[in-house]
Amino acid sequence: DAGVIQSPRHEVTEMGQEVTLRCKPISGHDYLFWYRQTMMRGLELLIYFNNNVPIDDSGMPEDRFSAKMPNASFSTLKIQPSEPRDSAVYFCASSSPGLAGYEQYFGPGTRLTVT
Amino acid sequence: QQQVKQSPQSLIVQKGGIPIINCAYENTAFDYFPWYQQFPGKGPALLIAIRPDVSEKKEGRFTISFNKSAKQFSLHIMDSQPGDSATYFCAARRRGYQKVTFGTGTKLQVIP
Repeated sequence: DAGVIQSPRHEVTEMGQEVTLRCKPISGHDYLFWYRQTMMRGLELLIYFNNNVPIDDSGMPEDRFSAKMPNASFSTLKIQPSEPRDSAVYFCASSSPGLAGYEQYFGPGTRLTVT
Repeated sequence: QQQVKQSPQSLIVQKGGIPIINCAYENTAFDYFPWYQQFPGKGPALLIAIRPDVSEKKEGRFTISFNKSAKQFSLHIMDSQPGDSATYFCAARRRGYQKVTFGTGTKLQVIP
């Protein structure tokens, strides 16, 4: 299995621009998570989906952030408009209740820099 | 009550030493406690996990000790190696939930 795939790996954009991060979960996994990691706040859960339906979006910082999962093999996290404080590494993870312990498998992350 | 407190923030040990990372929680509904290892430029990866019905679990050089009454758990790395240098996160998950609460992380450096 290729693991969780994220794109792009690095994104540099100017303040005010729209940013779209992409994730392909592991085939067969029915949970998908979006996390943000910064030095100041650590690893924060933004939102997670079960069977393509958002279950908990309480971690989404504000209305500028939105996430979708149109099918079982693809999800996006969009920031519009982007701000410098959004600079962070964004991780996507997937899991399945069929796995012992519901282990979450993380992707390699997207490093976002907003100037 | 959803927090998991982790210490220390950073740790430097010599090769062969036994670094210990500690975590504490408040929510007694947590029933699964994983540890994740993250190397620079990579996503976190599950290292070892424990449920509260056991007091210790070993996998290779990594051991989790769990104290249910104190609501504390810790990771010990035996015979640490420079390749163990990474950031370690403890975490906890509530029974019946997929959401995992992570600690703040411990950056470990093992010097030769």
